[in-house]
Amino acid sequence: GENVEQHPSTLSVQEGDSAVIKCTYSDSASNYFPWYKQELGKRPQLIIDIRSNVGEKKDQRIAVTLNKTAKHFSLHITETQPEDSAVYFCAAKESGGSYQLTFGKGTKLSVIP
Amino acid sequence: NAGVTQTPKFQVLKTGQSMTLQCAQDMNHNSMYWYRQDPGMGLRLIYYSASEGTTDKGEVPNGYNVSRLNKREFSLRLESAAPSQTSVYFCASSDKAGQPQHFGDGTRLSIL
Repeated sequence: GENVEQHPSTLSVQEGDSAVIKCTYSDSASNYFPWYKQELGKRPQLIIDIRSNVGEKKDQRIAVTLNKTAKHFSLHITETQPEDSAVYFCAAKESGGSYQLTFGKGTKLSVIP
Repeated sequence: NAGVTQTPKFQVLKTGQSMTLQCAQDMNHNSMYWYRQDPGMGLRLIYYSASEGTTDKGEVPNGYNVSRLNKREFSLRLESAAPSQTSVYFCASSDKAGQPQHFGDGTRLSIL
């Protein structure tokens, strides 16, 4: 099955700086890569996703890049704000008709005011 | 629009007791999922239902059963709870494979 590695496990940045979280996946045929944000005690919420036919996607201060050759994808948050503090999870959907998302173990982002 | 609703929000059980976690969605989604979340482990898929009338095992199905009651509802049952099943359980739904999954607020389950 798919295996997703996520780094770093914790990340602290100063307010206004950029944050980058990286994930690698094992199944070269995986074709859907969502990112979720989870605030303490809350549900995971989708913040951005990308499909394998696209190399980059941007939504205001958030962007995701995908490198299919290297089998890795990254989340970029620019101009970080204290409300960006949360745990972020990447995931990959297995190939074919699979319904399974395999999640990384999460990155705890702390934005220091 | 409630999205995905889970009940109960909290539960404490004794080892060996049984319990059913309920999940309902109002987005007319075809697919529904049950995950467990443990510290440092991310989200792991227990079971999923691609469409009404079908269920399949995920990564960690042992000790659990599921029922897709209708298109809206997908329940998770623990027949004989064990301390290792102490976790936060999330239900999610999506229109189909490869579409965004929407999560409920979770059920925090402790087994003593």
